[in-house]
Amino acid sequence: QQQVKQSPQSLIVQKGGISIINCAYENTAFDYFPWYQQFPGKGPALLIAIRPDVSEKKEGRFTISFNKSAKQFSLHIMDSQPGDSATYFCALSYSGAGSYQLTFGKGTKLSVIP
Amino acid sequence: DAGVTQSPTHLIKTRGQQVTLRCSPISGHKSVSWYQQVLGQGPQFIFQYYEKEERGRGNFPDRFSARQFPNYSSELNVNALLLGDSALYLCASTPGPQGANTGELFFGEGSRLTVL
Repeated sequence: QQQVKQSPQSLIVQKGGISIINCAYENTAFDYFPWYQQFPGKGPALLIAIRPDVSEKKEGRFTISFNKSAKQFSLHIMDSQPGDSATYFCALSYSGAGSYQLTFGKGTKLSVIP
Repeated sequence: DAGVTQSPTHLIKTRGQQVTLRCSPISGHKSVSWYQQVLGQGPQFIFQYYEKEERGRGNFPDRFSARQFPNYSSELNVNALLLGDSALYLCASTPGPQGANTGELFFGEGSRLTVL
C-alpha cells in the first residue's frame, strides 16, 4: 500500500502568519496530490489539489508546492485566520484497475490564535 | 442540493455484534466509497462500488462487507465487532468510477461507531 508521511502533527500559528504542512511519499504512480480540510464533526472536504506535472498551484491564500524529484509536496496557508483552524490531510490519488482511492496522511491539526 | 448523507450519525455496539451503516450519494453520483477514520488518524480506504459492482477493496478483514443498490445508495456491514473497529466511518461519492475532474471525493459527515 502506498505510504505518505505528513508533518508536523500539530501546528500553532498566529493570525496573519504562514502555516506550512509537508508531506512525503514513496511511489510515483499517482493522478493528483490533494489536500483535504476537516472540521470537528464533519467529513473531509477538498481544499486544493495539484497534478504531478505542475510544480505549484495557488488558490487564494492556499498554495501547493510540488517537488517531484524529492517526492514531496507541501501546503502553504498565507495570512492564516482563526477560521482556518482545522485538521489538514494530504493525500495521494490513485486510479487503477478500474478503481479510485485516496491514501491519506495522518493529518496536521492547525490552530490559528488571534 | 443535498450532499452525501449517512445514517446513523452515532451508534454504540458491544463486541461480537454486527452493524450496518447506510449512505446516500449526491444525486447523479454513481460511485460510492467507504473509509474508516480512527481517532487521530487519516481516513483509510475500505471499499469502492460503482454500478453495484465492487471496484476496489482496501486492507480490511472479511468481517467488512458492503453493497450498492440500484439507486446507488450503499450499505457497509461489519460483523463480529472488535474494540478496534471503533471509528468514524465515512462514505464518499463521485460521478463515475474515477475521481471527479480534480480527483475529488465528496465525503459525508460520517457514522461514529463506538464498540464497548
